[in-house]
Amino acid sequence: DTEVTQTPKHLVMGMTNKKSLKCEQHMGHRAMYWYKQKAKKPPELMFVYSYEKLSINESVPSRFSPECPNSSLLNLHLHALQPEDSALYLCASSLDASSYNEQFFGPGTRLTVL
Amino acid sequence: QQPVQSPQAVILREGEDAVINCSSSKALYSVHWYRQKHGEAPVFLMILLKGGEQKGHEKISASFNEKKQQSSLYLTASQLSYSGTYFCGILIKAAGNKLTFGGGTRVLVKP
Repeated sequence: DTEVTQTPKHLVMGMTNKKSLKCEQHMGHRAMYWYKQKAKKPPELMFVYSYEKLSINESVPSRFSPECPNSSLLNLHLHALQPEDSALYLCASSLDASSYNEQFFGPGTRLTVL
Repeated sequence: QQPVQSPQAVILREGEDAVINCSSSKALYSVHWYRQKHGEAPVFLMILLKGGEQKGHEKISASFNEKKQQSSLYLTASQLSYSGTYFCGILIKAAGNKLTFGGGTRVLVKP
């Protein structure tokens, strides 16, 4: 199994809602990532988990809360988002968080905040 | 710290060649190349780990000049399937294991 899966594919939420994005991989990878991608822009790193511990937080607002319950799962909890948070949210994983390893990306969750 | 990619866009006829450049103002650990088709996830093409290294995948190859902090991606005898946006991602020696992507180069290959 060489894929990263993400659910849901699409999500529409209001500014007062709480929702979660889910990411799963079964490749034995020990590094997992959340990226945010706006239209016609490159992916921007939000968080890195290495061996289930948060190792990088790119000064992301607290309305985004990541969680890594185990080595295969990565969640992103969303609360009180703003319309400007609408974007494609990509999850990725790699063997570990060193510079040598390719990152495998999931198909993303397209989020719309109303 | 975002790498600079050029050109921003290129249109090719099938069979033509193109070069995409990626340059950084910081010393690099490695350069990653990805291709993203519209509405899809980025797909890994190759990693270059040390100065002077060249790699290839079918008719797509890349080079890494560590001294100049630059990498180039070569699309040779382009095929329709090469269309998409190409991103270079860099790991900077001073910034830990954080992959920072360039602005992207949109490639359209026409029949």
